[in-house]
Amino acid sequence: DIQMTQSPSSLSLSVGDRVTITCRASQSISSYLNWYQQKPGKAPKVLIYAASSVQSGVPSRFSGSGSGTDFTLTITSLQPEDFATYYCQQSYTTPWTFGQGTKVEVK
Amino acid sequence: VQLVESGGGLVQPGGSLRLSCAASGFTFSRHWMSWIRQAPGNGLEWVANIKQDGSEIYYVDSVKGRFTISRDNAKNSLYLQMNSLGAEDTAVYYCARIAKSEMGIIRRDFDYWGQGTLVTVSS
Repeated sequence: DIQMTQSPSSLSLSVGDRVTITCRASQSISSYLNWYQQKPGKAPKVLIYAASSVQSGVPSRFSGSGSGTDFTLTITSLQPEDFATYYCQQSYTTPWTFGQGTKVEVK
Repeated sequence: VQLVESGGGLVQPGGSLRLSCAASGFTFSRHWMSWIRQAPGNGLEWVANIKQDGSEIYYVDSVKGRFTISRDNAKNSLYLQMNSLGAEDTAVYYCARIAKSEMGIIRRDFDYWGQGTLVTVSS
């Protein structure tokens, strides 16, 4: 199985901060990497698919990059509604696997 | 697009449960569908995928032989039959739609999720 490792596991930040979350795959997954945002008690929401494509309706402050084994989710200026947990997910091969999550908290 | 799960609840170890997911607002028969679960306080775990016509099915190893994913396109419904349940299966179970591009090509991400249904395995 492909292991997905996110770092850091948590971040304490302020509104306006730049956020960078990394996700590393245990083997190459080409660009089959997706990013989700989850708020407490809610279902996840896709932000980025295929490593760098922004889902329709997602604010432009969210972006994704990378290919192969190393990927990054960037939020250019953190907004109050962005405090949440973020997950990467590979869909290169089954079993599709998620990273352990990165919780972005208020500093 | 709406996905509504049902069928969760409390079940004893070794018991069975059948989850349902009612889909609306899109052509259900044109999409791969999935079940994903999340244990309390934990991360997300993909459980199973099923192709549009049910001809291809994939499971995570931990549920193979115990869980069965199925669909009824005439009823716009997705199902997950869960047998031989153990404490490790306690989780919120989400059904999710696998996205397609505007060109109709599968995108391999989950673009719509249900609200989830909680399954608790305990004596």
